[in-house]
Amino acid sequence: RKEVEQDPGPFNVPEGATVAFNCTYSNSASQSFFWYRQDCRKEPKLLMSVYSSGNEDGRFTAQLNRASQYISLLIRDSKLSDSATYLCVGGAYNAGNMLTFGGGTRLMVKP
Amino acid sequence: DTEVTQTPKHLVMGMTNKKSLKCEQHMGHRAMYWYKQKAKKPPELMFVYSYEKLSINESVPSRFSPECPNSSLLNLHLHALQPEDSALYLCASSQDQGNNSPLHFGNGTRLTVT
Repeated sequence: RKEVEQDPGPFNVPEGATVAFNCTYSNSASQSFFWYRQDCRKEPKLLMSVYSSGNEDGRFTAQLNRASQYISLLIRDSKLSDSATYLCVGGAYNAGNMLTFGGGTRLMVKP
Repeated sequence: DTEVTQTPKHLVMGMTNKKSLKCEQHMGHRAMYWYKQKAKKPPELMFVYSYEKLSINESVPSRFSPECPNSSLLNLHLHALQPEDSALYLCASSQDQGNNSPLHFGNGTRLTVT
């Protein structure tokens, strides 16, 4: 089983829709989580950190559910420019402090 | 604009060539990383430097040789590569190697081995 798993998608949604991605992690000792956005042939860019209390930044909301070992990313009022691959990243102290990437979820927002 | 800069942006090399990838950051980060990314796959960790010392080598073949000349610079020396080594090579940095520190990626070097 992969340490961090994501549905690869693609998620095809119309502009203005609300879309949510989940990411599950297997290491219960995982402490830190991040969402990255990666455009085609570009580098991953940090979208937001995920805190225990949740995190909101404009149209984006990230939440952590430790009991079920998943994190989520909610995008409201989707824009065409939100089309990208979203990478979930988790890290655990008992894994050499290294961050582990999920496989990514592809989002396509259509007019 | 990225705060981690990588050169070159593109590189084409033959299997007998020797080339180097360069990475620079001026954020005062103490951890620097090399990742390899193939199409439609997540980045795959290759090396980690922490405080200028190699702390992790993810069983990378010796034809890839990292070097950290100082706290701001990270190089990846390439020699006798194979066509399957063609990929996007990403440099990243973080405040430290602790996993509370997010990674900041450079633009990457797109490498083609012919």
